[in-house]
Amino acid sequence: DADVTQTPRNRITKTGKRIMLECSQTKGHDRMYWYRQDPGLGLRLIYYSFDVKDINKGEISDGYSVSRQAQAKFSLSLESAIPNQTALYFCATSDGTVNSPLHFGNGTRLTVT
Amino acid sequence: ELKVEQNPLFLSMQEGKNYTIYCNYSTTSDRLYWYRQDPGKSLESLFVLLSNGAVKQEGRLMASLDTKARLSTLHITAAVHDLSATYFCAVDTSGGSNYKLTFGKGTLLTVNP
Repeated sequence: DADVTQTPRNRITKTGKRIMLECSQTKGHDRMYWYRQDPGLGLRLIYYSFDVKDINKGEISDGYSVSRQAQAKFSLSLESAIPNQTALYFCATSDGTVNSPLHFGNGTRLTVT
Repeated sequence: ELKVEQNPLFLSMQEGKNYTIYCNYSTTSDRLYWYRQDPGKSLESLFVLLSNGAVKQEGRLMASLDTKARLSTLHITAAVHDLSATYFCAVDTSGGSNYKLTFGKGTLLTVNP
């Protein structure tokens, strides 16, 4: 089983719909992150959380919100989806030790029509 | 604002050849990470570089970090087809355990027979 699980793996939705992407982890890490990947743009940070009570905006948080329901769960919501939110979304976790890299989930491919 | 620039963004090379991917960043940091991504897959950690002069090697790949020049290199020796992938560098400037990574745009490497 994957240590960092994202659901759904693929999702097609219409403009204006609310959608939630979920991430759960079994690694016991406190720190969780949501990144977005677009072709030619690399990965950009949307939100991050260093523990259950600590949530921070990343560089591209507009149009997104998050919820840290528990240490193991970090959800990303699009309140009203728009086509330019079509992208590949990755959740990642960290144990906070700098010699340990981020651990990524398998990604959610979201298409907004 | 931290900027991370990789070049080249696209690299097509023949098997058996050597080449280097460069990663420049704009703000002082001594923490740099290299990742590999296969098409349609998640990101896999390759190297963690945590000090000036750090050098790590794994198989045909060798990564180094020069914090004074704000430059990391990923050197490929005698490329083989299996190395075809997208390679990302990522930098952290937090200086602490609550780190977050800023990624470059990635280098798409294609190794031709």
